[in-house]
Amino acid sequence: AQSVTQLDSHVSVSEGTPVLLRCNYSSSYSPSLFWYVQHPNKGLQLLLKYTSAATLVKGINGFEAEFKKSETSFHLTKPSAHMSDAAEYFCVVSDRNNDMRFGAGTRLTVKP
Amino acid sequence: DSGVTQTPKHLITATGQRVTLRCSPRSGDLSVYWYQQSLDQGLQFLIQYYNGEERAKGNILERFSAQQFPDLHSELNLSSLELGDSALYFCASSTSPGERGETQYFGPGTRLLVL
Repeated sequence: AQSVTQLDSHVSVSEGTPVLLRCNYSSSYSPSLFWYVQHPNKGLQLLLKYTSAATLVKGINGFEAEFKKSETSFHLTKPSAHMSDAAEYFCVVSDRNNDMRFGAGTRLTVKP
Repeated sequence: DSGVTQTPKHLITATGQRVTLRCSPRSGDLSVYWYQQSLDQGLQFLIQYYNGEERAKGNILERFSAQQFPDLHSELNLSSLELGDSALYFCASSTSPGERGETQYFGPGTRLLVL
């Protein structure tokens, strides 16, 4: 069975500085990987996904993630944080049956 | 806005009661998924329906049941409610029965509080 570990429960950055949210996965099959964002009192919105094409995936709002099979990682990055990026971020792994397993989430705080 | 709608937004009820949560998928989507998000368990997959038929089951309690109707909307029924059932319940939809890598689109959720 597949699983995902988000290495930080909380990340705090200053506005304008880079963001790094870390995610490691475990899967016995070639996984699909997703990052979703959840703003307070809102549903989950897809940021980006990897499905075995290019290993560097670009998403919405300037986010991107790189699939590294050798490290079983799918870290989310953004060059410059904006106040509106403050939210909860979920890394998700799914197998060939699209059984999605969510990480515990990383809360991103952006300081002015 | 994902195009997935859920009603009600909030629900407050008492232990032992039964509630029904409703979800309308995006136009054209045939699959509906239900998830529970709680502080202690995180986000957990409950159940999936595709075109009216149950497709996959996750960590769904026997006190919970769901169905998908001919117009493709879905209902999640929670009965004999306990305090621990208090959570945010999400519905998601997708086009296929569950193709690898397919995106699921999430609704805004129903927040259930059991007192």
